[in-house]
Amino acid sequence: DTGVSQDPRHKITKRGQNVTFRCDPISEHNRLYWYRQTLGQGPEFLTYFQNEAQLEKSRLLSDRFSAERPKGSFSTLEIQRTEQGDSAMYLCASSPEGGRGEKLFFGSGTQLSVL
Amino acid sequence: AQSVTQLGSHVSVSEGALVLLRCNYSSSVPPYLFWYVQYPNQGLQLLLKYTTGATLVKGINGFEAEFKKSETSFHLTKPSAHMSDAAEYFCAVCRGAGGGNKLTFGTGTQLKVEL
Repeated sequence: DTGVSQDPRHKITKRGQNVTFRCDPISEHNRLYWYRQTLGQGPEFLTYFQNEAQLEKSRLLSDRFSAERPKGSFSTLEIQRTEQGDSAMYLCASSPEGGRGEKLFFGSGTQLSVL
Repeated sequence: AQSVTQLGSHVSVSEGALVLLRCNYSSSVPPYLFWYVQYPNQGLQLLLKYTTGATLVKGINGFEAEFKKSETSFHLTKPSAHMSDAAEYFCAVCRGAGGGNKLTFGTGTQLKVEL
């Protein structure tokens, strides 16, 4: 068990391009979360999955964003037609079912820069 | 709804001096509270957490925090700052049972440690 893994660590793209990020959770965790952190702000919740089911989506997750977790293991977050405002650190976290945050583990994040 | 407020976006201390980072929370249910540290271009590392029980909680790297219900506070302290403590610190609260481990973060406090 090597913790929550995110790929890539950094992504630079041009405005209008599509990007996809991957998150591999801790293997025995059935919950997976995506957060976004912009410069000077705390992380903000985007969405979370329990197994393959997407249980909650934040209003921050516009129509250009889509997250999947097809087999209940890894997850992908895709941003279509990127905008400069999408530049942020995208953090993934995982947890077992139950609890109130005390079993949550974060990955190192993917830093997105939209030029 | 749960929220946290971090007072002071930037705190500067001398090496060896007391570190005090302030966090006040708002919660409609007994809160679970957390402090995370983030080094540049890295993900979040859990420093400590308060769930139930003892109100003074000790974390890693010599940090501790005290849950004060009467003051709705969860301030982070360290008796003697070290240069390696320079980082950004986030206070977070978990929403109530059934919240799926979703955290709400404060806006962060950047700690600077000077010689």
